[in-house]
Formats: sequence, structure tokens, C-alpha cells
Amino acid sequence: AQSVTQLDSHVSVSEGTPVLLRCNYSSSYSPSLFWYVQHPNKGLQLLLKYTSAATLVKGINGFEAEFKKSETSFHLTKPSAHMSDAAEYFCVVSGWFDSTLTFGKGTMLLVSP
Amino acid sequence: KAGVTQTPRYLIKTRGQQVTLSCSPISGHRSVSWYQQTPGQGLQFLFEYFSETQRNKGNFPGRFSGRQFSNSRSEMNVSTLELGDSALYLCASSFKGKDRASYEQYFGPGTRLTVT
Repeated sequence: AQSVTQLDSHVSVSEGTPVLLRCNYSSSYSPSLFWYVQHPNKGLQLLLKYTSAATLVKGINGFEAEFKKSETSFHLTKPSAHMSDAAEYFCVVSGWFDSTLTFGKGTMLLVSP
Repeated sequence: KAGVTQTPRYLIKTRGQQVTLSCSPISGHRSVSWYQQTPGQGLQFLFEYFSETQRNKGNFPGRFSGRQFSNSRSEMNVSTLELGDSALYLCASSFKGKDRASYEQYFGPGTRLTVT
């Protein structure tokens, strides 16, 4: 069984400041981990993925995440927030034997000018 | 390549009716998965089809069903609609080859279903 916990339901930052969205996972096997973003009334867009290669993963739009097995974490970061980053972010885990995605509850990122 | 497309984008139905949603995957992708998104329950996995066979199923009642055609296009059907079925239904496709990286799923824009 696998699960994901996103530690914050809302995160507020000012434009130009760093972003940190926290995610912890639980998985019986070596997991694949993803971060997806959803803008209002849109589908989900893949930001980045970890599939047992490099532990520091770089994604689109300046986002990156670090897989830490000892802490079972996969936090998403960005050095400098932009207004267009305001959206809901989902941390997602997928098992080794099947590709079913298990989603976290989501973190709403609010960016103020 | 064109992305995942879903039709219709919006639907309004009445309780007790049934509805069929359609999903066309990215060309070459063989796996199609369906997800339900609601404010209360978040994103939940419904089922996955691969090569016209259901491979995985989430914890949903039998009123929710689906199928996949030989061209990988998929349909999802909900019978005897309930108010609680109002949701955004998302379809995702993946190539799903031998390489684990090919399991990456690409999502469509979703179908917004409102049941009144």
C-alpha cells in the first residue's frame, strides 16, 4: 500500500521569495514520485518526477524536488516565486508493480505581489 | 503530438440518468486511467485500461464502469447518477512500456459533470 501526506493545505509567499511545499510518502516498495500542478479549471500538468535515478530532480518552470529516503520526503522547492505559480500542487506516489497514482490532498500556493 | 482530449468538457445531468464520458489518449499511448476529483475527497483513482483490458480498479461502486477500444480510446460510464457524482473526471494516458519512466501519465483537461 502507498500513501502521500502533504503537510500544508495552503502556503502563502510573496513574489520573488522562495517556495517550499512539503510532502511525505509511504510505500512498501521503491516508489515513483511526482509533483503535478493544477491551475483553476484546468487539468493536471506534470512538474517533475523521481523514478530511482538522481535524488535531486529538476522540473519545469524552475521547480525542483529532492528525494530523501531516510526521511520519506519529497519536498518541492523554487528559489523565487512568480505570480503565475499560484495554483494547486499535488504530490503523487506510484507503486513499482502498477502505475496507479495515489494523490495527496493538495497544497494551494498563493503568491502575493 | 496532440495531448489527451476529453469530451464533452461540461455536462449537466439529472439524478437517475446515466452518462458516458470519452477520452482520447496521446497517439501511441496504450494505457488510459480515469480519476474523479471532488472538493471533499480530492483525486481518486477509478480504473485503468491497457490493451482493452481493465488492469486496476479503485474503490468505487459498480455504477462506474469503463471500456477501451482497439485504438486505445476509452469511455467511462456512470449509471443511475447521484448528486455525489458531481465532480471533475480526469483521464490520463501513458505509454507503459518496459521502462518504468514510460509509466508517466499525461492528463486531459477533464469533464466537469454536474448532477442536479
